[in-house]
Amino acid sequence: QSVLTQPPSASGTPGQRVTISCSGSSSNIGSNYVYWYQQLPGTAPKLLIYRNNQRPSGVPDRFSGSKSGTSASLAISGLRSEDEADYYCAAWDDSLYVFGTGTKVTVL
Amino acid sequence: EVQLVESGGGLIQPGGSLRLSCAASGFTVSSNYMSWVRQAPGKGLEWVSVIYSGGSTYYADSVKGRFTISRDNSKNTLYLQMNSLRAEDTAVYYCARDLGDSSGYLDWGQGTLVTVSS
Repeated sequence: QSVLTQPPSASGTPGQRVTISCSGSSSNIGSNYVYWYQQLPGTAPKLLIYRNNQRPSGVPDRFSGSKSGTSASLAISGLRSEDEADYYCAAWDDSLYVFGTGTKVTVL
Repeated sequence: EVQLVESGGGLIQPGGSLRLSCAASGFTVSSNYMSWVRQAPGKGLEWVSVIYSGGSTYYADSVKGRFTISRDNSKNTLYLQMNSLRAEDTAVYYCARDLGDSSGYLDWGQGTLVTVSS
C-alpha cells in the first residue's frame, strides 16, 4: 500500500508546463530525499530526479524537482509528446522504500 | 556497461515457490544496494526488498516471512526466493541497483513476469 499520494493524472499541450505533486509524511519525505521515476509503456522505470532536485546524466533540464516539508513536486516544462508516461515519486521510510501512487501524464 | 538481466519467472500455482535471478555485469553486486521492485498488471510500482552492501536485508510488509533476498558474490547475481506464493504476488519483478549514496535506483533490469494462478 503506497504511503505517498499523487494525483492519478495530469495533462498539457506541447510546450506547456505540467506539475505533479507527491504528498507524504514526516517519516518519509519529511526526513529523507525524494526521487522521481518515469515509466514509458512496456518499459522499466527510469530515474529522473534524485536527492530532491538532482538530475542524472542525460535527463533533460526540462525536468525539475523540489521538496517542501512533507511534500514534493516534479515539474515538466516545455512538454513534449515523448513525455507521455507514468511518473512515480519515491522516498525511504525508515529502512523501507516507498513509491507514490503514480501519475499518468498525457500530452494533448 | 552496466546490465541487469532477470530470469526465473513463470506460471506457478498458489502456495508454490519460485526463485528469481538477476545477473549483473559492469559492476559488483556486493558493493551496491540491490533491490527487487514489482509491478502488478496495470498497477503501480511496489518496492519488495533490499540487500545492502553490508548484507543487511529488509522487506515490504506484504512479503515479509515469505520472500528472501540474497546474492552470490562469485556469480555476481542477486536472487529472490519466493515461497507461499499468492495470487496477489502476480507481477513483473524488476531488480534495481542503488549506489548507496542516495543517488536512487539508477539501473534496472528488463523485468521477469511471475504469474500465480491455478
